[in-house]
Amino acid sequence: EAGVAQSPRYKIIEKRQSVAFWCNPISGHATLYWYQQILGQGPKLLIQFQNNGVVDDSQLPKDRFSAERLKGVDSTLKIQPAKLEDSAVYLCASSSTSTAEQYFGPGTRLTVT
Amino acid sequence: QKEVEQNSGPLSVPEGAIASLNCTYSDRGSQSFFWYRQYSGKSPELIMSIYSNGDKEDGRFTAQLNKASQYVSLLIRDSQPSDSATYLCAVNDYQLIWGAGTKLIIKP
Repeated sequence: EAGVAQSPRYKIIEKRQSVAFWCNPISGHATLYWYQQILGQGPKLLIQFQNNGVVDDSQLPKDRFSAERLKGVDSTLKIQPAKLEDSAVYLCASSSTSTAEQYFGPGTRLTVT
Repeated sequence: QKEVEQNSGPLSVPEGAIASLNCTYSDRGSQSFFWYRQYSGKSPELIMSIYSNGDKEDGRFTAQLNKASQYVSLLIRDSQPSDSATYLCAVNDYQLIWGAGTKLIIKP
């Protein structure tokens, strides 16, 4: 069974530029999560989707971050405009509806200069 | 504010010994608990989940849950250098609440 796919793996941008990350969850997993992880900290949930609906986006900085999962499968997270403090690893995870066990993709390391 | 607390470490353990990692959580109503392993530069990998009080064993790993004390632990027997990583505790309360992780170093 294929795992969670993410791209790109690395991205370097200048502040005020925009960037987009893509995630494809494990086949059949209805729930998809985007996390931000800063070095030395646990993952911070940005947004949770159940199929194509948003379950929780309370910690998403909506003035600059947006996310969509239009067909209930893959998802895109966008940052526009980026700030220096957005430098982090962006992790995508998925889970089935029957369990809280989450499985992570390889992550995207974003550096904002 | 719901919290999950872990000692940041590093915890240094000799090869072949038992490594003991601890986690406390604030929400008494939490029902499921997870341990993830994260190697440097990699994403978290689920290694254990536990849902009821007591011990759960999987190979060299044992998770222990005490809901009355709001405490969950992970024991790694016969520690190997490849076990050197950061171990993240996560507690399910509508969403996963994450600890900051404990860095474990296994000394050959």
